[in-house]
Amino acid sequence: AQSVTQLGSHVSVSEGALVLLRCNYSSSVPPYLFWYVQYPNQGLQLLLKYTSAATLVKGINGFEAEFKKSETSFHLTKPSAHMSDAAEYFCAVSGSGYQKVTFGTGTKLQVIP
Amino acid sequence: DAGVTQSPTHLIKTRGQHVTLRCSPISGHKSVSWYQQVLGQGPQFIFQYYEKEERGRGNFPDRFSARQFPNYSSELNVNALLLGDSALYLCASSLDPSPSENTIYFGEGSWLTVV
Repeated sequence: AQSVTQLGSHVSVSEGALVLLRCNYSSSVPPYLFWYVQYPNQGLQLLLKYTSAATLVKGINGFEAEFKKSETSFHLTKPSAHMSDAAEYFCAVSGSGYQKVTFGTGTKLQVIP
Repeated sequence: DAGVTQSPTHLIKTRGQHVTLRCSPISGHKSVSWYQQVLGQGPQFIFQYYEKEERGRGNFPDRFSARQFPNYSSELNVNALLLGDSALYLCASSLDPSPSENTIYFGEGSWLTVV
């Protein structure tokens, strides 16, 4: 079974500061890892996904994440936060093939002007 | 092109009632999944359908059921509603059920409140 743990339910950063959202995974098989963003009253949008092709994954809106097998981590980063980045971010994991996606509990990002 | 569309967007039901939620996938997508997102939590997998067959079921009671139609649209049905069923119900579609190979697109959800 796969699971993810997101550290910190709320994260606040100043506009222009580094964004770091933490995610650790647990998987008995090589995992596929995802980061999704959810804006208020909207569905989920895929930011990026790791499918073993490269450990550093670049996504939309300037976000990227690095897969570290030794640390079982897949942290999401962005060099400079923008006000429009304020949203809730979900880390998720699945196995290969026809597998369900298991989501973490989410991290709400607040960007302070 | 239209994204994943869900209806209704909001509804209020009374305990014990039945609810049907509907989802139209992106054109060409044959896989539909349903997720329940309780306030303050991440989405929880309920069902996955592909080519009109159930391909996966999460840890939900038998009060929850779903089906997929020949045009690949889907319905989620919940019987004997409980207060704890209050949540955002998300539908997602993809070309096929493999999340490693395909991007999963989510609709904006149906907000269900049970009173």
